[in-house]
This record gives sequence, C-alpha cells and structure tokens, in this order.
Amino acid sequence: KNEVEQSPQNLTAQEGEFITINCSYSVGISALHWLQQHPGGGIVSLFMLSSGKKKHGRLIATINIQEKHSSLHITASHPRDSAVYICAVRNTGNQFYFGTGTSLTVIP
Amino acid sequence: GAGVSQSPSNKVTEKGKDVELRCDPISGHTALYWYRQSLGQGLEFLIYFQGNSAPDKSGLPSDRFSAERTGGSVSTLTIQRTQQEDSAVYLCASSVIPGSGNTIYFGEGSWLTVV
Repeated sequence: KNEVEQSPQNLTAQEGEFITINCSYSVGISALHWLQQHPGGGIVSLFMLSSGKKKHGRLIATINIQEKHSSLHITASHPRDSAVYICAVRNTGNQFYFGTGTSLTVIP
Repeated sequence: GAGVSQSPSNKVTEKGKDVELRCDPISGHTALYWYRQSLGQGLEFLIYFQGNSAPDKSGLPSDRFSAERTGGSVSTLTIQRTQQEDSAVYLCASSVIPGSGNTIYFGEGSWLTVV
C-alpha cells in the first residue's frame, strides 16, 4: 500500500469548471506539499501546508490533519492548468512520500 | 544559481556504459534528494543526503547505483553498467533543514535513455 493515495488518477474538465483533487496519507507528517509537473517534466511546488487552508490565485489547498486528508481545488479552470498534480508528504524524518499524481486535462 | 541545477539535461547512452548525473542544489540547502520517474510512473525515491549525516540509500534499486555529495553541496548520481530499464528522468531536489516550514525545490531533471 502506498503511503500517499491520490484521486482521481486522471481528470478531464471543460474550461471554467471547478476541479478538486484529493490526497490521503497514512504516515505522520510535518508538512504536505502540492506539486505541479508540466509535460516537459519540470516540477514546481504550489503549496506547502501543515494545517488549515492556503490560497494562491485560482488555487486553493486544504488539509485536515485529523483525517489525514488534503484537497487541491482549481477554480475557473483553464487549459494552461493542464498538468500532473502530485501530492507529497514530509514525515518527521524529513523524508518525502509521493502520490502517483493526477493527470489533469482542461479542454477549451 | 537561483534554482536546483541538473546536468546533463538529456543523455543517451549505450547499454552497459556508465553514466554520471550531476545536481547542484540551491545554496544553503542542506537536504538533497534524488528521485527517478519512469515514463507514466510516479516519483521513485532513490537517496537522501542531509548535511554531514550518513545518506539514506534505501531507495537505490541495485548496487549499480551510487551517489555522493561532496562538500555538502554538489551531488553526483552514478549508474554503472546501464540497462534499458534505467531509462527515466532523474530528478534532484533540495530543501532547507531543519524545520517543517520549508518547501522542496526540484531541478528540471536529467532525461536518461539507454539504448
């Protein structure tokens, strides 16, 4: 069993739709990261959370520590949001565990 | 540099040859990680360096893989006697330690193709 589970694995949305990607984890964590990987392979960190909620532009990330669950929301989705979104958790030993990613395609 | 720098960005090698991949982390970052990602797969942990501590090598898939980090900065991942299943993108990441309030930064990756 993976320490980090993401759903859905693949997601296709129409431009403008509200998108939610879910992440559940089974290990004790010090922080959770949402990463974005574009087709060229480069990875950027979108959010780092240890509690509550963060917002950046059209992106919102929430975390529930008690339920070991996090969600990434994209409002008013756009084709340029098409990418793989990866949930990663850092345990107290500073080791990272990664979900297998959610491949998002936003259709114009 | 401003970000994590990896080289080469692309490498095509013949089966059986050795390859070296280099990672230059962000200055001041004491934690350095190597991951690989095969086509269509998730990120696979390889090795983790933290300061002067012994590295966590638990993710290295075979004894053909080794890595070192000199002077607490630049790291080199070496794959000996490459096999076709080694073809993947090798990603390096770095982070400031200690504390959980630090994000992780990835390089652009080194794309390795073994033919």
